Amino acid sequence: QQPVQSPQAVILREGEDAVINCSSSKALYSVHWYRQKHGEAPVFLMILLKGGEQKGHEKISASFNEKKQQSSLYLTASQLSYSGTYFCGTEEIGDDKIIFGKGTRLHILP
Amino acid sequence: GAVVSQHPSRVICKSGTSVKIECRSLDFQATTMFWYRQFPKQSLMLMATSNEGSKATYEQGVEKDKFLINHASLTLSTLTVTSAHPEDSSFYICSAKKLAGSSYEQYFGPGTRLTVT
Repeated sequence: QQPVQSPQAVILREGEDAVINCSSSKALYSVHWYRQKHGEAPVFLMILLKGGEQKGHEKISASFNEKKQQSSLYLTASQLSYSGTYFCGTEEIGDDKIIFGKGTRLHILP
Repeated sequence: GAVVSQHPSRVICKSGTSVKIECRSLDFQATTMFWYRQFPKQSLMLMATSNEGSKATYEQGVEKDKFLINHASLTLSTLTVTSAHPEDSSFYICSAKKLAGSSYEQYFGPGTRLTVT
């Protein structure tokens, strides 16, 4: 079942923060976050496995709620290089595949 | 990180011909690889799961006779688009699963842009 991502698109000025949400109607085994630049393949950002987990990667971090049905990606003090489309991919318990949300387009203005 | 390559990066073929796309994990072994298709400004749609040494598992709506998948070794999976038609034109991306401790990470190849004329 495809996860729901919100918002669909965000426009920020450099230095501002953004939050991208990803939710499922079912409890998940894992959530994966990727960023894709135009014309390129997606690039792995991080994976979350445990309920209540928070994980950081420089100024990009993510959380996975206790029920393991919702994840958020946090972009702080955004940089121009953060522009792109962010996808969350979810893996349901007992299913060996990742299904991607529709993506969130992030555009950073100088 | 890990490196996954795809070949070719771009291919143009005539309607009715077949095209083979290769996906290789260069610095790790991948028992499982995935094939996705992405239309412009859309999400990645999973086509099939490719397991080394066994038949691929196709998603609903994906024709297994049209999209032939072979995972002959732990580092190579191939996707053959048979009797290609213009509607098959798309960006095809593979990914490979790399074990990481008790978890795993999934790395994508650079993609293959297929144009059928």
